[in-house]
Amino acid sequence: QQQVKQSPQSLIVQKGGISIINCAYENTAFDYFPWYQQFPGKGPALLIAIRPDVSEKKEGRFTISFNKSAKQFSLHIMDSQPGDSATYFCAASMSVNTGFQKLVFGTGTRLLVSP
Amino acid sequence: GAVVSQHPSWVICKSGTSVKIECRSLDFQATTMFWYRQFPKQSLMLMATSNEGSKATYEQGVEKDKFLINHASLTLSTLTVTSAHPEDSSFYICSASAGGGPVEKLFFGSGTQLSVL
Repeated sequence: QQQVKQSPQSLIVQKGGISIINCAYENTAFDYFPWYQQFPGKGPALLIAIRPDVSEKKEGRFTISFNKSAKQFSLHIMDSQPGDSATYFCAASMSVNTGFQKLVFGTGTRLLVSP
Repeated sequence: GAVVSQHPSWVICKSGTSVKIECRSLDFQATTMFWYRQFPKQSLMLMATSNEGSKATYEQGVEKDKFLINHASLTLSTLTVTSAHPEDSSFYICSASAGGGPVEKLFFGSGTQLSVL
């Protein structure tokens, strides 16, 4: 129930195309769903995030679609660029009794945008 | 944005030795810091939660005597891998919350690649 399932494991997209990464969760206690971008040898960086009371959030070329009833959410990268080549992690968070929020990460998607 | 500095970025050590990794929040105070472990091409696995002035909370399956965590100040947490062995070789990443809790304000360090020979 603590898992976040992510697919695909890897993705190759041509420059200018749309990259789509999907995630699914089971625990309805999750209340925050961020996406992180990680380059090799670096820590992850927050890309965009959504709360379950919203079905879509867009920031520039990045859009999160959220389906609460299906317990699924996805990341869409429009007009994909070679610089977007990285590993993307979805995550889910819920508050715990100590006050902080614990992140559970998906398994990651390695995106390669070909020139 | 907030910066989390992690040092060293990579370290090579002999089997049986101990290695200390530092995680500093440079421009904010972090009452809570998190330590993750990431194997090649795999996801981040939370190892422990570090709270300033108190004992760390370890995730199930993480040996607290092997991975010593000290959160001595509001800007510094350290992870010491004691008696390191080759199976401890991994990428270790820390994160710190600038808001004292909200994950929206969670920032990650650049990671430390540990190689144990």
